[in-house]
Amino acid sequence: SQQGEEDPQALSIQEGENATMNCSYKTSINNLQWYRQNSGRGLVHLILIRSNEREKHSGRLRVTLDTSKKSSSLLITASRAADTASYFCVIFAFNDYKLSFGAGTTVTVRA
Amino acid sequence: SQTIHQWPATLVQPVGSPLSLECTVEGTSNPNLYWYRQAAGRGLQLLFYSVGIGQISSEVPQNLSASRPQDRQFILSSKKLLLSDSGFYLCAWNRYQNYGYTFGSGTRLTVV
Repeated sequence: SQQGEEDPQALSIQEGENATMNCSYKTSINNLQWYRQNSGRGLVHLILIRSNEREKHSGRLRVTLDTSKKSSSLLITASRAADTASYFCVIFAFNDYKLSFGAGTTVTVRA
Repeated sequence: SQTIHQWPATLVQPVGSPLSLECTVEGTSNPNLYWYRQAAGRGLQLLFYSVGIGQISSEVPQNLSASRPQDRQFILSSKKLLLSDSGFYLCAWNRYQNYGYTFGSGTRLTVV
């Protein structure tokens, strides 16, 4: 299975600042999904963007998708301490049941 | 509403002992079910997935096995644990292909 690769590996920001992380992939996709994992916990599905969509919003989250560049970005605006977590970009190729996860971006929001 | 239950939350087992982790989904029928493992500080590795009762696909050859005895029950097993089996095990489900996953809260397994 293919997987997305997140960049940067780690990000440290001040509370109230915006956090941006990027994802690159190599194959054609049906959709791309972002997940959050708080330390030692299960993963939470944040947002799904389909291959024919370019931008999607959910609360303080904004996801963009550029299929020509095979890349996506996740923006968290006005970050809070509770946003401290690892964020994973996951691609879903066509005719594939399975999601493959990369190493993720670890975000630390300082109070 | 749909919920996913996974237990136990933590487990410490000696090398060579058997393993059984259970995952159940409520509030839906015929879910796609998945077992993932996460090593410390790493991404998730897909171990098994199932699209129906008795249908198991293995992604990584190892000394683990999975079974789906009922529609909404997914079990991860081992006859003899190895040290390298230590990790964080996550069960997940989705209703349709390509949809987002809902994850369980995970089981932290330490093999000593």
